[in-house]
Amino acid sequence: AQSVTQPDIHITVSEGASLELRCNYSYGATPYLFWYVQSPGQGLQLLLKYFSGDTLVQGIKGFEAEFKRSQSSFNLRKPSVHWSDAAEYFCAVGKTSYDKVIFGPGTSLSVIP
Amino acid sequence: GAVVSQHPSRVICKSGTSVKIECRSLDFQATTMFWYRQFPKQSLMLMATSNEGSKATYEQGVEKDKFLINHASLTLSTLTVTSAHPEDSSFYICSAWRDGPDEQYFGPGTRLTVT
Repeated sequence: AQSVTQPDIHITVSEGASLELRCNYSYGATPYLFWYVQSPGQGLQLLLKYFSGDTLVQGIKGFEAEFKRSQSSFNLRKPSVHWSDAAEYFCAVGKTSYDKVIFGPGTSLSVIP
Repeated sequence: GAVVSQHPSRVICKSGTSVKIECRSLDFQATTMFWYRQFPKQSLMLMATSNEGSKATYEQGVEKDKFLINHASLTLSTLTVTSAHPEDSSFYICSAWRDGPDEQYFGPGTRLTVT
């Protein structure tokens, strides 16, 4: 069965520090992988996606993610966190870009000044 | 970027009544829309896939007769929660798939409270 796990329920980092959010997936084939951010009162926003090709994917707001097939992982990183990055982050997997998407449980990010 | 709106953003209704939630793609046509449900501090759970001009495809465990989905046009899908009960209180989120950028765009969500 398809599933997504995000081991960290909540993470707190200092502003300016680096960030890595973990994501592991279980899927029968090479999946489409996504990272979304959800801020209060706003819809989910796509940070980046991976379908194929270069395993290091660049996204918006300075985020990047690396696909590691051997580890079934798609971790999200940012070299320097800003206070505005505080939000809920969801890793997701799908069969195609237009098919249903399975979301992970989410990681809540807090940023301290 | 593409915009998906939802109306209303918040709704309170009494137990036993029905409530309709609208999802609109404002600047593109969407043949496929999705409806999700999100409980507090939890992830999004897909309820159904809505295709324009055809019946929605419901996920296992989702009551078709309770959660009526209509995708009557390429820019509008509606979710009607019939005979609502307090356990239906939740955050309902829709998304619309856009060809070209090949991406799903999410609405801001609708907070439903059933008293």
